[in-house]
Amino acid sequence: DSGVTQTPKHLITATGQRVTLRCSPRSGDLSVYWYQQSLDQGLQFLIQYYNGEERAKGNILERFSAQQFPDLHSELNLSSLELGDSALYFCASSSRAGLNTGELFFGEGSRLTVL
Amino acid sequence: QQQVKQSPQSLIVQKGGISIINCAYENTAFDYFPWYQQFPGKGPALLIAIRPDVSEKKEGRFTISFNKSAKQFSLHIMDSQPGDSATYFCAASMASNAGKSTFGDGTTLTVKP
Repeated sequence: DSGVTQTPKHLITATGQRVTLRCSPRSGDLSVYWYQQSLDQGLQFLIQYYNGEERAKGNILERFSAQQFPDLHSELNLSSLELGDSALYFCASSSRAGLNTGELFFGEGSRLTVL
Repeated sequence: QQQVKQSPQSLIVQKGGISIINCAYENTAFDYFPWYQQFPGKGPALLIAIRPDVSEKKEGRFTISFNKSAKQFSLHIMDSQPGDSATYFCAASMASNAGKSTFGDGTTLTVKP
């Protein structure tokens, strides 16, 4: 158990809809990362928040947005969903020290299926 | 443009054998190279990592070999066990934001008893 909690574990929705994925980082971790894993693909970095502030952005679509709340949990919002958005979405967190070592602790992911 | 290329895509090894997975990177600014292990239905978990100031790092049966001039690094799993069957990802990142990693596409390892 990595200590990172993601909900929901599975989500099935229709094209054009909007969903919100939630992540609670490990206790004490200030940094949260979102990654997308499509079928048979590696993980693609989407976005990072550190202590409530956006720290880095990767290949995140304009239809997607994220935020980190004062209690450090984070939400990834996906809107106007398309079939190609079907994927596993992982949240990861790191400690202050981890920000430099790169050690990430991943949750078990939220599997999104868009029909 | 993929910055971290991983091979092979899949690997079958007999129990007790050596599993070798290779990765190559392009960005010379990368200076942290972790390997992650992922079991079905689980998130990736950090297995072992190396910085470019050393050429090899060993932790138990797992060894990373690093060749800075060739921009390549590899994971060796000695005495492979069926419990090692998983998907392995190499990754690379920069010290300026080490958590923002670029991942390879993964290698599915099957260790046959």
